[in-house]
Amino acid sequence: GNSVTQMEGPVTLSEEAFLTINCTYTATGYPSLFWYVQYPGEGLQLLLKATKADDKGSNKGFEATYRKETTSFHLEKGSVQVSDSAVYFCALKRYSTLTFGKGTMLLVSP
Amino acid sequence: DVKVTQSSRYLVKRTGEKVFLECVQDMDHENMFWYRQDPGLGLRLIYFSYDVKMKEKGDIPEGYSVSREKKERFSLILESASTNQTSMYLCASSLSTGTPDYNEQFFGPGTRLTVL
Repeated sequence: GNSVTQMEGPVTLSEEAFLTINCTYTATGYPSLFWYVQYPGEGLQLLLKATKADDKGSNKGFEATYRKETTSFHLEKGSVQVSDSAVYFCALKRYSTLTFGKGTMLLVSP
Repeated sequence: DVKVTQSSRYLVKRTGEKVFLECVQDMDHENMFWYRQDPGLGLRLIYFSYDVKMKEKGDIPEGYSVSREKKERFSLILESASTNQTSMYLCASSLSTGTPDYNEQFFGPGTRLTVL
């Protein structure tokens, strides 16, 4: 079956540090890949997405590249801000349903 | 903007009570979903619906049922609430036209349910 594995948190960084959150997946066929973000007290928001191999999704300074050869979709940001503190979920989609990773909490201190 | 609203942000119920969680979306989406979110487990799909009166079991349907009488509304029902159903419940919706693998799911703010 489909599954998503992402690094456990919390990830604790100082403002302006470089961020990587690892995500690998197992799936049949060619899924689409997503990163969702959940700010405290809120639902999930789509951060970025990629639908085929070598696609790069980007939004708000975050990037992730769909790597089919390593079945990975790692999230990166060059310089994090305190406002980026949130829980980040990697997900894959086949047909209508999403399969989520367990989430990685990011804490950014000033 | 797509809006997915959930009837309550916080709910406290007693063991054995029948609980209804309501979700409404305003973008004419065909697909609607119910997830529960638990620390260390991420989001798990309970049920989804791709059309009015249609429903499909997700990964953890036991102890839950759903109802979709109108396209915009999807209800999650706990027939007899138990303490292990204490959780955050998230509703989502998406289009079914276009490329199924691509369509974004839009989430509501969640309902934090506590069963005592």
